[in-house]
Amino acid sequence: QLVLTQSPSASASLGDSVKLTCTLSSGHNNYAIAWHQQQAEKGPRYLMRLNTDGSHTKGVGIPDRFSGSSSGAERYLTISSLQSGDEADYYCQTWGTDIQVFGGGTKLTVL
Amino acid sequence: QLQLQESGPGLVKPSETLSLTCTVSGGSISSTSYYWGWIRQPPGKGLEWIGSIYYSGSTYYNPSLKSRVTISVDTSKNQFSLRLSSLTAADTAVYYCARTDGKHQFDYWGQGTLVTVS
Repeated sequence: QLVLTQSPSASASLGDSVKLTCTLSSGHNNYAIAWHQQQAEKGPRYLMRLNTDGSHTKGVGIPDRFSGSSSGAERYLTISSLQSGDEADYYCQTWGTDIQVFGGGTKLTVL
Repeated sequence: QLQLQESGPGLVKPSETLSLTCTVSGGSISSTSYYWGWIRQPPGKGLEWIGSIYYSGSTYYNPSLKSRVTISVDTSKNQFSLRLSSLTAADTAVYYCARTDGKHQFDYWGQGTLVTVS
């Protein structure tokens, strides 16, 4: 079964970097994912598609501070030079044969 | 710039059927490159995919909701719609429409509409 696992919460200080993790279920190491950001009381915003080899394609207007990387079943979102506006929920999403799956989301707090 | 806008009633009674429409502007729903989907988010919870449709009418649904869901498309109006039947309080959520690149990542989202079942 295709499942994405995310830690419920993360925190980092203003100006620092943070790395969020999304883990693919066993047997699905070769799946690409997407990252989405959801600020408080807003709809999700597409950040990037992240491939198995770590290459990624960002959405329109997504700053260079957002980057992605991959290792085995892990998919990462790194946000550098954290700003207060980066405080949000971050969701990973993947897809299989006629199925779409979301991770449970990580709530990022910027201290 | 592509925009998606959900519309429909904000309050629906239990056991009734929810109907929502997503209007697409700034692009054609008939593009062969994209699917169009519905996602929902109960208050304080995460995102749940409901189902997706191609401009031709081909659909695929979340197995957990499949028996209650119908998604349709109207290419003449550049719209697609969601019907969810036999509603309960558990269906209370913000409902989003979104575009997917092929059957892959959701890359454009609507702002969402809150539907309360009560």
